Amino acid sequence: DAGVTQSPTHLIKTRGQQVTLRCSPKSGHDTVSWYQQALGQGPQFIFQYYEEEERQRGNFPDRFSGHQYPNYSSELNVNALLLGDSALYLCASSFQGNYEQYFGPGTRLTVT
Amino acid sequence: LAKTTQPISMDSYEGQEVNITCSHNNIATNDYITWYQQFPSQGPRFIIQGYKTKVTNEVASLFIPADRKSSTLSLPRVSLSDTAVYYCLVGDKTGGSYIPTFGRGTSLIVHP
Repeated sequence: DAGVTQSPTHLIKTRGQQVTLRCSPKSGHDTVSWYQQALGQGPQFIFQYYEEEERQRGNFPDRFSGHQYPNYSSELNVNALLLGDSALYLCASSFQGNYEQYFGPGTRLTVT
Repeated sequence: LAKTTQPISMDSYEGQEVNITCSHNNIATNDYITWYQQFPSQGPRFIIQGYKTKVTNEVASLFIPADRKSSTLSLPRVSLSDTAVYYCLVGDKTGGSYIPTFGRGTSLIVHP
């Protein structure tokens, strides 16, 4: 049983560009959350998707948007990239937002 | 106001028992206590969760006193592979979904 998978593993973008990160949840999970983790910090909640809708959102600007597909996979889009967007982006899945959340390995985004 | 307070770092040696205490003075009645483990460049991994008293699984034990204002994660006989960051989280399923809120965690280093 595959766990949470994310793609790509690493990504280098230039300031001002746009990026799309992808996540496939663990089999049987229907809820996907996205987190941003800067070096030396804990993961910060961006937003959560359930039933193809954004259910909750953290303190992130509108440049961060997402989508969930009928198969529960999800995308995170970031527009107008800033140097400060460089971080590890984590996807977590759960069944109906339960306490036990499974995290993917993350996508390391570097903005130059 | 931070929901949890835990030591920034701890050191131990192989074979020892490690206890990491987390303070959560403002824990709400509906809040659960959850611990995650994170290795470098990987997503956090769920370790254990509890509401009160003691919970034990194959990895760790979680001790929660009656007032629930603190909790202690106990790792029996640690090995080098237990070197990681450990996060203590409190929260409930607000709006029908649990959103883990991470602090900076405790960096545990296990020495030979």
